[in-house]
Amino acid sequence: NAGVTQTPKFQVLKTGQSMTLQCAQDMNHEYMSWYRQDPGMGLRLIHYSVGAGITDQGEVPNGYNVSRSTTEDFPLRLLSAAPSQTSVYFCASSYTRDSPYEQYFGPGTRLTVT
Amino acid sequence: TQLLEQSPQFLSIQEGENLTVYCNSSSVFSSLQWYRQEPGEGPVLLVTVVTGGEVKKLKRLTFQFGDARKDSSLHITAAQPGDTGLYLCAGENFNKFYFGSGTKLNVKP
Repeated sequence: NAGVTQTPKFQVLKTGQSMTLQCAQDMNHEYMSWYRQDPGMGLRLIHYSVGAGITDQGEVPNGYNVSRSTTEDFPLRLLSAAPSQTSVYFCASSYTRDSPYEQYFGPGTRLTVT
Repeated sequence: TQLLEQSPQFLSIQEGENLTVYCNSSSVFSSLQWYRQEPGEGPVLLVTVVTGGEVKKLKRLTFQFGDARKDSSLHITAAQPGDTGLYLCAGENFNKFYFGSGTKLNVKP
């Protein structure tokens, strides 16, 4: 199993550009989520999904969109990048059949918006 | 926002010393997790505690969930350089996870 994979690993965007961060998992996990990690602030939940076709907002959803058309993939879209979105982005997945969740994290995408 | 505060923020100790990291909140959580994160990598789950008062041990690491399910502690006995990293606590309610800001631990040989 590859686990949770994220692409790209690094990205530089100009203000106003759009892009999609990719996340995929091969563990048949129902639950997937996106976080951003800023210095001194831990991880903050952006969006999450408890299964294909179902998404919901986390703590900091503004400026980001998600969709979940398959169990495996959970892309995060930045519609119009802003310097405040400079951060490291992590995708995670877990089963929901078992409680509590045990999240597996991807290696992260480091995004810089200039 | 359900805030989790971790203390201390930074800890630098000698190999062989003991240490405790605290994770406190005014919110009640269904479960609480501890992660360790190395530079340039994603967090890795160490343990999940669910029941108030629960204590779990993982080799030299002891985790405790407060009776009221609002706080937790991580105690490391005889720390080793391999324990160096960022330790994060995370509380879960209704499918959402709330992370503390982390404790950066450095264990010197």
